[in-house]
Amino acid sequence: GENVEQHPSTLSVQEGDSAVIKCTYSDSASNYFPWYKQELGKRPQLIIDIRSNVGEKKDQRIAVTLNKTAKHFSLHITETQPEDSAVYFCAASIRGKLTFGQGTILTVHP
Amino acid sequence: GAGVSQSPSNKVTEKGKDVELRCDPISGHTALYWYRQSLGQGLEFLIYFQGNSAPDKSGLPSDRFSAERTGGSVSTLTIQRTQQEDSAVYLCASARASSTDTQYFGPGTRLTVL
Repeated sequence: GENVEQHPSTLSVQEGDSAVIKCTYSDSASNYFPWYKQELGKRPQLIIDIRSNVGEKKDQRIAVTLNKTAKHFSLHITETQPEDSAVYFCAASIRGKLTFGQGTILTVHP
Repeated sequence: GAGVSQSPSNKVTEKGKDVELRCDPISGHTALYWYRQSLGQGLEFLIYFQGNSAPDKSGLPSDRFSAERTGGSVSTLTIQRTQQEDSAVYLCASARASSTDTQYFGPGTRLTVL
């Protein structure tokens, strides 16, 4: 089955810096790659997603890149703010079934 | 509009008892998913319903776990003879139709097996 590796497991940045989280997947049949943000005790919320026919997508301070050849995708957050602090999960989908990475705890220090 | 809802929000049970967890998807969403999130861990796929197709049960960890979706809407996840390792947050998600549509998550049910 699909396997998703996510790095780093923790990331600490100063407010205003950029943050990058990287994921790799194993199954070339995966065709949809969402990123979720989960605050403590809350449900996961989609922040951005990318489909396999696109290489890059941007939404304000958040961008995702996808390299299908290398089977990896990355989340980029620019101008980080304290409210960006949360756990971020990447996922890869085959026919709707999501396989998640283990998560990255992002801490943004004011 | 209303999002995905789940009930109960918390469930404490004794080892060996059966439990039922309920999920109400977003109206009109044909795809429904169950995931499990253990403390400090990622989300683990359990089962996937899409319309009238046979569900994808490939993530169910044992035959003590089962799920139904009645009338293409509400779903119930049943865990029989609960074990302590079943303690986790059980999350339900729904999506509009296709396999690349956004999955919207419910608030989850926190299950504690004593």
